[in-house]
Amino acid sequence: EVQVVESGGGLVQPGGSLRLSCAASGFTLSDHFMDWVRQAPGKGLEWVGRTKNKANSYAAEYAASVKGRFTISRDDSKNSLYLEMNSLKTEDTAVYYCARSSNWRFDPWGQGTLVTVSS
Amino acid sequence: QSALTQPPSASGSPGQSVTISCTGTSSDVGGYNYVSWYQQHPGKAPKLMISEVSKRPSGVPDRFSGSKSGNTASLTVSGLQAEDEADYYCSSYAGNNNYVFGTGTKVTVL
Repeated sequence: EVQVVESGGGLVQPGGSLRLSCAASGFTLSDHFMDWVRQAPGKGLEWVGRTKNKANSYAAEYAASVKGRFTISRDDSKNSLYLEMNSLKTEDTAVYYCARSSNWRFDPWGQGTLVTVSS
Repeated sequence: QSALTQPPSASGSPGQSVTISCTGTSSDVGGYNYVSWYQQHPGKAPKLMISEVSKRPSGVPDRFSGSKSGNTASLTVSGLQAEDEADYYCSSYAGNNNYVFGTGTKVTVL
């Protein structure tokens, strides 16, 4: 079964850092683009960024709202994707989802992990 | 990048059809055939229902269909069933390696 499972969320103070992980199974991670999408409480979905596959040199792209603060990386040997979040702001509070992507469609999605930025 | 515009809510009785619109610009919806639709039940992860404007992934009932005209995409759910009650989000590639989601529509089955 193809699935992804996020972990690492929690409570962090403004200005702090947090690293999220996404474990993939049922497919070869290196063959696929992988994206992060977030959803603030009671709000809609927001694309955060992506890392391309091995054939595209694992290039990463980011939404303007997180560029320079967030870094996406991956370890294909561990079938894992990561989201390093620095200089966190209260507006970064959200459920963070990872998803496999191709042709700009996201499937499947994980169950999400909640990040709360608050003092 | 501004979110795509969807109506906040839509409703229909069981067996009826409901259509949700998703309006963008020529820089996103109108410029690419990379429009997708996602269903999200409360507290659950989104699920892909339609990709590339009108392609239905395996396992998605054929009651779900997608289309696009100009800068507006649409999702139609025919033969509404109780389990179709959920939030629905459209999305589109927006060029320059950017991606945008819609504002979301809550579908209620009366």
